[in-house]
Amino acid sequence: EIVMTQSPLSLSVTPGEPASISCRSSQNLLHSNGYKYVDWYLQKPGQSPQIVIYLGSNRASGVPDRFSGSGSGTDFTLRVSRVEAEDVGVYYCMQALQTPYTFGQGTKLEIK
Amino acid sequence: EVQLVESGGGLVQPGGSLRLSCAASGFTVSSHYMSWVRQAPGKGLEWVSVIYSVGNTYYADSVKGRFTISRDSSKNTVFLQMNSLRAEDTAVYFCARHYDYLNYLDYWGQGNLVTVSS
Repeated sequence: EIVMTQSPLSLSVTPGEPASISCRSSQNLLHSNGYKYVDWYLQKPGQSPQIVIYLGSNRASGVPDRFSGSGSGTDFTLRVSRVEAEDVGVYYCMQALQTPYTFGQGTKLEIK
Repeated sequence: EVQLVESGGGLVQPGGSLRLSCAASGFTVSSHYMSWVRQAPGKGLEWVSVIYSVGNTYYADSVKGRFTISRDSSKNTVFLQMNSLRAEDTAVYFCARHYDYLNYLDYWGQGNLVTVSS
């Protein structure tokens, strides 16, 4: 099983300031097809999760361009360039390279 | 418009069984990978099971041998049969659609609470 480890587990950010979340996988998530099968989800309070970034660095439809994803085969980062109030919630990375698919523990983003 | 609506949750005693349903609209479930993901109260997300478009099924170790995922194409619905339920299976269960071969979860249901307690 691939283990996904996120850090930090909580983050308190002033509006307009940047935020960064790290996700490390226990195995290389680069497929032979060239895609990195790591995705980022945001679960806003009281809601179902929603996709933010897919395949490591692709913004999902409707996601503001202040969100970006990057990383290599085992180390990935989600960045928010200027945090807004609507960005609060818990962010999860997930590997979809092989079953069992696995999530990170989650990172709770709060506004100062 | 794509929609996923879960049903079938509720209170069940330890050792009991329950079947969750995920009714889909706006697309055909047999053309996509479909997963179940759960979230215990106050905890993070845990992937549970997937059924591939070709019919292969896979499970988390925590539910293997107890849970079975299936689909009914005529009803455009995915199911999760849960047997030998334990207190640690208490969670909100979400069904979610995978976006083709890119595999990310692009649509999620609203979630359905399963409580295992005597």
